[in-house]
Amino acid sequence: KQEVTQIPAALSVPEGENLVLNCSFTDSAIYNLQWFRQDPGKGLTSLLLIQSSQREQTSGRLNASLDKSSGRSTLYIAASQPGDSATYLCALRDYGQNFVFGPGTRLSVLP
Amino acid sequence: DGGITQSPKYLFRKEGQNVTLSCEQNLNHDAMYWYRQDPGQGLRLIYYSQIVNDFQKGDIAEGYSVSREKKESFPLTVTSAQKNPTAFYLCASSNGRDEAFFGQGTRLTVV
Repeated sequence: KQEVTQIPAALSVPEGENLVLNCSFTDSAIYNLQWFRQDPGKGLTSLLLIQSSQREQTSGRLNASLDKSSGRSTLYIAASQPGDSATYLCALRDYGQNFVFGPGTRLSVLP
Repeated sequence: DGGITQSPKYLFRKEGQNVTLSCEQNLNHDAMYWYRQDPGQGLRLIYYSQIVNDFQKGDIAEGYSVSREKKESFPLTVTSAQKNPTAFYLCASSNGRDEAFFGQGTRLTVV
């Protein structure tokens, strides 16, 4: 059974720092991987989608990488801002079209 | 604007009462999903539907029911058999194995 972990569980950084969030998974047979952002009391907002054949995707200050062989994905946030404060979740899509979510990393960017 | 709409945003249920959460999408997506989120826990799959008039149980389907009579709509009923329904409920949709999109959630509280 696929298991997804995210490290760290929580992270607090000063504004302007570059940071990396980690997502690890146990089964490399995935169709794609998606990173989401969740603000308190809100739904999930899609940030980046990486297909299994891709190595990375970029959107603005965000860059996500995928290494299936090692069971890892990272989300890199450049020049962090207080508005980046949220919980970040990774989700794997298996070949049955369903998702397996990680528990999330709670990020606080201090002004 | 294309997207997923969940209503209501807040819902209160009395003991022994059935309540229905609405989820509508205008993205022309085939697949729709219901997740439950509890504090400090990841998202857990309740039900999913990959096509109209067909749906499958997820990991925690007991005490819940769904219908998929229209492509755009996937309502979730929380029945009196669900003994601990207080949670945040999230609806999602996707087209095949492409990017998934989420609604803003419904917070259900038992009073």
